[in-house]
Amino acid sequence: GQNIDQPTEMTATEGAIVQINCTYQTSGFNGLFWYQQHAGEAPTFLSYNVLDGLEEKGRFSSFLSRSKGYSYLLLKELQMKDSASYLCAVVDSNYQLIWGAGTKLIIKP
Amino acid sequence: GAVVSQHPSRVICKSGTSVKIECRSLDFQATTMFWYRQFPKKSLMLMATSNEGSKATYEQGVEKDKFLINHASLTLSTLTVTSAHPEDSSFYICSARDISAGDTDTQYFGPGTRLTVL
Repeated sequence: GQNIDQPTEMTATEGAIVQINCTYQTSGFNGLFWYQQHAGEAPTFLSYNVLDGLEEKGRFSSFLSRSKGYSYLLLKELQMKDSASYLCAVVDSNYQLIWGAGTKLIIKP
Repeated sequence: GAVVSQHPSRVICKSGTSVKIECRSLDFQATTMFWYRQFPKKSLMLMATSNEGSKATYEQGVEKDKFLINHASLTLSTLTVTSAHPEDSSFYICSARDISAGDTDTQYFGPGTRLTVL
């Protein structure tokens, strides 16, 4: 079956760095998304990786290793507003989205 | 874990026809389901919030007469794109909220439906 694993919840301190991991087993791979979702709001697009390596966008970076079925989202200089759920989703061989359950990130002062 | 399915996974239709997309929560009950549209820049736009037994709440700019939403049961919501045109071609994604879960903010997402209008 198809499966996406990411931690249920993480806690970090304001100003610090946090890495949210996502591992996947899917039938084929056509890219991986990271979305941020604040409570009661629609998900916001953060990144899309289809090739191996690290992509940096300001305070957020996303890494992909297709051979390992692994990705991570790195958040630097954490701010209180970064408290949210972070969703990992993989596009499979049929171009369907396989979603992780999301990681709830709690930022403490 | 909570599973949400969508049917069909992809559909190709002629301009002017109507297309119905189903969203089902397979192992939980969902009083609320959400319909999103994914744009080429990968962003998700919330189209409407569907509540079981009542009328859907549409976001600003979304035509309710064009995108008909029905949420007749706790496990099924449908989105009908009426008189579809090429500009309606997109990836439509639904999500569902599990009423039994303590965390009422958690949404479970479906795999999406790719609509192509010729």
